[in-house]
Amino acid sequence: GESVGLHLPTLSVQEGDNSIINCAYSNSASDYFIWYKQESGKGPQFIIDIRSNMDKRQGQRVTVLLNKTVKHLSLQIAATQPGDSAVYFCAEKREDNYGQNFVFGPGTRLSVLP
Amino acid sequence: DTGVSQNPRHKITKRGQNVTFRCDPISEHNRLYWYRQTLGQGPEFLTYFQNEAQLEKSRLLSDRFSAERPKGSFSTLEIQRTEQGDSAMYLCASSLEVRGYEQYFGPGTRLTVT
Repeated sequence: GESVGLHLPTLSVQEGDNSIINCAYSNSASDYFIWYKQESGKGPQFIIDIRSNMDKRQGQRVTVLLNKTVKHLSLQIAATQPGDSAVYFCAEKREDNYGQNFVFGPGTRLSVLP
Repeated sequence: DTGVSQNPRHKITKRGQNVTFRCDPISEHNRLYWYRQTLGQGPEFLTYFQNEAQLEKSRLLSDRFSAERPKGSFSTLEIQRTEQGDSAMYLCASSLEVRGYEQYFGPGTRLTVT
């Protein structure tokens, strides 16, 4: 079935380096995507979103890129800090015959090395 | 604290018992979502309210699950005749319609069915 998934389950980066977390989706009709950060014992925290009519969106130290041709989404974190260590989820807003819902990928764990 | 709150934070129950969880969204948010998250997985959409109206319900949601938002403010999620497979973290999120789908999550209620 169609799903949202991630290429890498874990990612380790050196403090100060840039991080890139990838996500593949298969529903070409999805028009809205979100990245969340989840720290241990907490609920997901909204990071940034992007609509399908955009290719790129920037926030504070984060950039989301959307490539609709290959159905790929990425989150770039600049100058990664220890506080960025967490699990990162991409999610897509999906609408089908059953209505609208949000589908999350399995997540990528980001570990920032000192 | 003006974030999303959930109660209880932890619930241990015996199989076959009914449980009810409460979510208090951010006060001005008119949209409210329930998700379920198991260890190592992304959140799974359960249901969604706009004001007091339940607009979407996952087709994967068993008839044992019911959610209400009677006055368009707090919401309750009830699970009847709990099963061990119901053990999970139950997350609530809220958003403001005019801000799109930027969801703010609560800390979750961890349910353990023994």
